[in-house]
Amino acid sequence: AQSVTQLGSHVSVSEGALVLLRCNYSSSVPPYLFWYVQYPNQGLQLLLKYTSAATLVKGINGFEAEFKKSETSFHLTKPSAHMSDAAEYFCAVSPSGGYQKVTFGIGTKLQVIP
Amino acid sequence: GAVVSQHPSRVICKSGTSVKIECRSLDFQATTMFWYRQFPKQSLMLMATSNEGSKATYEQGVEKDKFLINHASLTLSTLTVTSAHPEDSSFYICSARLREQTQYFGPGTRLLVL
Repeated sequence: AQSVTQLGSHVSVSEGALVLLRCNYSSSVPPYLFWYVQYPNQGLQLLLKYTSAATLVKGINGFEAEFKKSETSFHLTKPSAHMSDAAEYFCAVSPSGGYQKVTFGIGTKLQVIP
Repeated sequence: GAVVSQHPSRVICKSGTSVKIECRSLDFQATTMFWYRQFPKQSLMLMATSNEGSKATYEQGVEKDKFLINHASLTLSTLTVTSAHPEDSSFYICSARLREQTQYFGPGTRLLVL
């Protein structure tokens, strides 16, 4: 069984401030972890993924996430928020190896304040 | 690379009619595609897994006779909502699996049943 918990359905940051979106996972086997971004009325775009290589993963648009097994976390960060970062962010988990179903979190809506 | 398209982007239909949504992988072949449904301000709910050349695998609680899925080629999967009712109104998103567990998402189809 696997699950994802995203802490905070809404997060507000000032433009230029640090972005931190929290994600904790539960998985009975080594996981693959993903962050996706969704803009209004659009599909999901992959930001980054962890697939058992480096624990610090760098993605697009300046985002990165660190896999911490001891904390079962995969938090998403960006040093300086831009207005264009305002969107919904989804964390997702799947068991590693072969095809396995991906489970999504409920999402965190990021608001960037000018 | 890894572009997935959906058509139509929006559809309005009368109750009782059927609606077909197409999902295409434009620059890669996808043996596996997925269909999700997203309710307002909620996460994605996996409806079914579409495998090229075989029957789709439906998630528990999803009516296979109502949501017909066909994956006739390595680049096309279709979802047909049969005898649509207002409660079927939703945002439908498809994705295609390229490698490992990475899914690439289409832009979604907004269905409104009157």
